[in-house]
Amino acid sequence: NAGVMQNPRHLVRRRGQEARLRCSPMKGHSHVYWYRQLPEEGLKFMVYLQKENIIDESGMPKERFSAEFPKEGPSILRIQQVVRGDSAAYFCASSQQGRVLNQPQHFGDGTRLSIL
Amino acid sequence: QQPVQSPQAVILREGEDAVINCSSSKALYSVHWYRQKHGEAPVFLMILLKGGEQKGHEKISASFNEKKQQSSLYLTASQLSYSGTYFCGGTESGSARQLTFGSGTQLTVLP
Repeated sequence: NAGVMQNPRHLVRRRGQEARLRCSPMKGHSHVYWYRQLPEEGLKFMVYLQKENIIDESGMPKERFSAEFPKEGPSILRIQQVVRGDSAAYFCASSQQGRVLNQPQHFGDGTRLSIL
Repeated sequence: QQPVQSPQAVILREGEDAVINCSSSKALYSVHWYRQKHGEAPVFLMILLKGGEQKGHEKISASFNEKKQQSSLYLTASQLSYSGTYFCGGTESGSARQLTFGSGTQLTVLP
């Protein structure tokens, strides 16, 4: 499967625990975007990363959330000390080039995070 | 501020046409259209770059009027497979680093 791979598909955490969401971009893509989607709502931009660099994190909450895209391995979205309000679907997308203006983004199937 | 999509929801019979609108209070440099089926990943449809530009994808086409800061998606002779939620996303500069998505239009095509 050459598409964007996200895992896990479903993740259940208790309040206060940590959640780690993984995303492997399409082959040949080095630009990764994370979005959050609440039920019946649109996709909210969180962060844009290139290998080893955060390009734009303006959509990411200042506390508890972090993202990385190491030289080797998948991109990771990390949520520390989760709260009920973090429950959502988190989507990762990748693109071949970094010009958002005219580059299609290819999405993974998402991770559904539920906080108990 | 996110683009505003209208209508919020539309129900069609197979073979009917539909138009989905996307308006922004800010100038847009490009408009991207995606379709998402329930529980699945959004799927890219098309990107429009220039004012007045039109594009087509099967029986789905779109236009972008940059002066009016709006785009419209046209679905003709709709098929059952067209059901899903359609999102428009806009870039607010030529060097934009993020897409700002609208809240979506839910399209249901009935047999």
